[in-house]
Amino acid sequence: GESVGLHLPTLSVQEGDNSIINCAYSNSASDYFIWYKQESGKGPQFIIDIRSNMDKRQGQRVTVLLNKTVKHLSLQIAATQPGDSAVYFCAENRNPSWGKLQFGAGTQVVVTP
Amino acid sequence: EAGVAQSPRYKIIEKRQSVAFWCNPISGHATLYWYQQILGQGPKLLIQFQNNGVVDDSQLPKDRFSAERLKGVDSTLKIQPAKLEDSAVYLCASSYTGSSGNTIYFGEGSWLTVV
Repeated sequence: GESVGLHLPTLSVQEGDNSIINCAYSNSASDYFIWYKQESGKGPQFIIDIRSNMDKRQGQRVTVLLNKTVKHLSLQIAATQPGDSAVYFCAENRNPSWGKLQFGAGTQVVVTP
Repeated sequence: EAGVAQSPRYKIIEKRQSVAFWCNPISGHATLYWYQQILGQGPKLLIQFQNNGVVDDSQLPKDRFSAERLKGVDSTLKIQPAKLEDSAVYLCASSYTGSSGNTIYFGEGSWLTVV
């Protein structure tokens, strides 16, 4: 079936290194992708989004890359900090069903000193 | 600006009992969502409101779950009777409109344990 999935369930990163979180999607009709960060006991927090007509978007310390050819999405975090430890979800949305976000299972990022 | 407010934060009930969760979206946000997040999984949409009308409730188990947004602002989600598999975090979210590209902001969630 169609789904949004993550390649690695857990990612261990040393403080100061760059993190790369990968996500695969299978629905070519998806036109909008979002990355959320969820800390323990909290709701998902918006990080960055990208439309399907773009292949790269940068924010503060984060970059999202979209490869529509292979249906792959990635989140890069520069200079990972202890506060980046969380579960990261990619989510896709298919216009016009806006709001019905399809989430993957998430990747646990653990930042080690 | 104030975020999405939810209450209660935590609730423990026995199976077959009922429970209600309340949500106050970000001021001015017309679209409100309820998601269910089971431990270890990503959130799943239960119901979406545009003002006080239902846009999508295709994944809401209507035999036991109900939701309303009578005045187009606050919303309540009710479960009656609860089952063990309803143990999850119930996340309320809102966006300015229901149009593509409007960021969806989540609340902290209401954690339900059914025993």
